[in-house]
Amino acid sequence: GAGVSQTPSNKVTEKGKYVELRCDPISGHTALYWYRQSLGQGPEFLIYFQGTGAADDSGLPNDRFFAVRPEGSVSTLKIQRTERGDSAVYLCASSLVGWDGYTFGSGTRLTVV
Amino acid sequence: DAKTTQPPSMDCAEGRAANLPCNHSTISGNEYVYWYRQIHSQGPQYIIHGLKNNETNEMASLIITEDRKSSTLILPHATLRDTAVYYCIVRPSPSSNTGKLIFGQGTTLQVKP
Repeated sequence: GAGVSQTPSNKVTEKGKYVELRCDPISGHTALYWYRQSLGQGPEFLIYFQGTGAADDSGLPNDRFFAVRPEGSVSTLKIQRTERGDSAVYLCASSLVGWDGYTFGSGTRLTVV
Repeated sequence: DAKTTQPPSMDCAEGRAANLPCNHSTISGNEYVYWYRQIHSQGPQYIIHGLKNNETNEMASLIITEDRKSSTLILPHATLRDTAVYYCIVRPSPSSNTGKLIFGQGTTLQVKP
C-alpha cells in the first residue's frame, strides 16, 4: 500500500485480556518501529526491527509486551494480561535503512476497561 | 541521547512565517537534528533533518547555528493546516542503524486566521 497501515484503528478490551495489534509497513521498508503515545505526551519508543529480528527492544516496558515480525514485513505487537495503564495510542512506523524519513501509521487506540 | 528543549506552545498568524526554536546544547558531533510534526489524531510526519548546514525542502527550512547548539524550523507561509505539535529530535546519522527517535513534549503551534 501507499502508507503504513495499522489495524484495528480502535480496540477496547477488558483488564486482564490479551490483545494483538497489527502493522503493515510500506512495501520494501526493512526497518519497522513501534511507539506508544499517552494523552498529551510525545511518542515513546518500544521496539525496532531490522528485517525479522528485533535490533532494539529496550523500550518494551515489561514482559507482558512482545512483538514479532516473522517474515520481515507485517509486525504484530502482543500485550498479555492488559492493565488500565496500557491504554494509549500504539503507533507503528517504517523506513528504508540508511534514510531516516520514518513513515508513521495513524495508530491503534487501545482502551483497557 | 542528546535532549532538546522547545517552548510548549506558539501562535502564528495565517500567511506569516512560523519560526519554531529548539535548543540542543549537548548535541554530539555525529548527531543530526530532525523535525517531525503531529497533526491531531494522526501519526507523526517527517519534515526535515540536517547536520550543520541549513536545509530546505518543500515543507520547511531548517536553520542550525554554527555551534550546533540550537536550531529553528521555519514554515515560510503558515496555513491553518500547519496547526500541529512540532517535535525537534537529535540522533545519530541515518546510517548508524540505531533506529529509535526520542520524542520530547514538542511545541504546539496554533495557526490563527
